[in-house]
Amino acid sequence: KAGVTQTPRYLIKTRGQQVTLSCSPISGHRSVSWYQQTPGQGLQFLFEYFSETQRNKGNFPGRFSGRQFSNSRSEMNVSTLELGDSALYLCASSRSGGANEQFFGPGTRLTVL
Amino acid sequence: DQQVKQNSPSLSVQEGRISILNCDYTNSMFDYFLWYKKYPAEGPTFLISISSIKDKNEDGRFTVFLNKSAKHLSLHIVPSQPGDSAVYFCAASDSSNTGKLIFGQGTTLQVKP
Repeated sequence: KAGVTQTPRYLIKTRGQQVTLSCSPISGHRSVSWYQQTPGQGLQFLFEYFSETQRNKGNFPGRFSGRQFSNSRSEMNVSTLELGDSALYLCASSRSGGANEQFFGPGTRLTVL
Repeated sequence: DQQVKQNSPSLSVQEGRISILNCDYTNSMFDYFLWYKKYPAEGPTFLISISSIKDKNEDGRFTVFLNKSAKHLSLHIVPSQPGDSAVYFCAASDSSNTGKLIFGQGTTLQVKP
């Protein structure tokens, strides 16, 4: 069974630009969660989608948004990029998002210059 | 407010010996706990989990112990192997907060040959 895939793996953007990251979950998984990993803050929850609906959201500004498609693939978007948005963005999939193991993709390394 | 804490940033053990990684939490609503291993430039890899209705779960060389009264869990790796060298994260969730894992800051384990 294929794992979680994320594209692109690396991105370099400049301040003020916007970016879209993509995540394809494991087949049969309907929940996709997104996390931001930075050296100072560790792994922090951004949001979770299930059946195309955002069910949960972390403490991030409205510049961070996402969506999920009918095939469970998910995208996250960051608008008006700031230097502090430089991070590893990870998505994870699980069957239902409840008390289930989440399986992570390799991440997208975003660098904002 | 860090709800999940891993107080030891690093741990070094000899190959063949036991590695014990510790994790404390503050939120009594947490009812599911997980351990992940992470190599640089990769996403976290799921290792083992435990529900709050249990106090022990074992999978091969990995055993997780949960002490609810102390709000403490630990991961035991026996015997430790050099390939176990990585950053280990504990994570917690509560069933009312779908798809959201709260991570500790991680412990870097080095297993010396």
